[in-house]
Amino acid sequence: DTAVSQTPKYLVTQMGNDKSIKCEQNLGHDTMYWYKQDSKKFLKIMFSYNNKELIINETVPNRFSPKSPDKAHLNLHINSLELGDSAVYFCASSPDRSGGYEQYFGPGTRLTVT
Amino acid sequence: RKEVEQDPGPFNVPEGATVAFNCTYSNSASQSFFWYRQDCRKEPKLLMSVYSSGNEDGRFTAQLNRASQYISLLIRDSKLSDSATYLCVVNMIGSNFGNEKLTFGTGTRLTIIP
Repeated sequence: DTAVSQTPKYLVTQMGNDKSIKCEQNLGHDTMYWYKQDSKKFLKIMFSYNNKELIINETVPNRFSPKSPDKAHLNLHINSLELGDSAVYFCASSPDRSGGYEQYFGPGTRLTVT
Repeated sequence: RKEVEQDPGPFNVPEGATVAFNCTYSNSASQSFFWYRQDCRKEPKLLMSVYSSGNEDGRFTAQLNRASQYISLLIRDSKLSDSATYLCVVNMIGSNFGNEKLTFGTGTRLTIIP
């Protein structure tokens, strides 16, 4: 069974479109994250939710809106896509919000904006 | 100064050799330290946590130097399968909400040569 799953795996879209990425974890973890890995492979946190509550928002443009319907799911909606949004987006989860535990990553969603 | 800084490499090392990476971090209050491994076009996965007393897992040894604010990773008897990017990871306080987040270095790329 996949611990952290994301859909879709690949997403190619045009500038100005709106798209969503979904993430689910079956580990029973309380905390979930969205990360962005750009073309230079730099992995940077965007958001974190703990039991459906937003706990980290790293000054991401408000075109990005996360949503956690329950603690096993964390989705990311992106409005008005821009070329600079092209990247790999990773979802991750951890047992709690402390930062002291391993984070389990999903396989990533490779977003290409043309 | 970057929050977490690593030599990006690449390190090209013959099979069987010993290789070491260092990583420096800026926040003296950080409490949790990790090395993650990321294979090409895959998600990051935890390699090992780094403890104050240092720790060893098979051919891998991690050390923490709080006074100088750096952590290290030593790989002995390197194998072809060790070829990957190694990410130094440190927990820090997020820019808002005051919650902890993991900050990733840009990674050190290692290639083991037959």
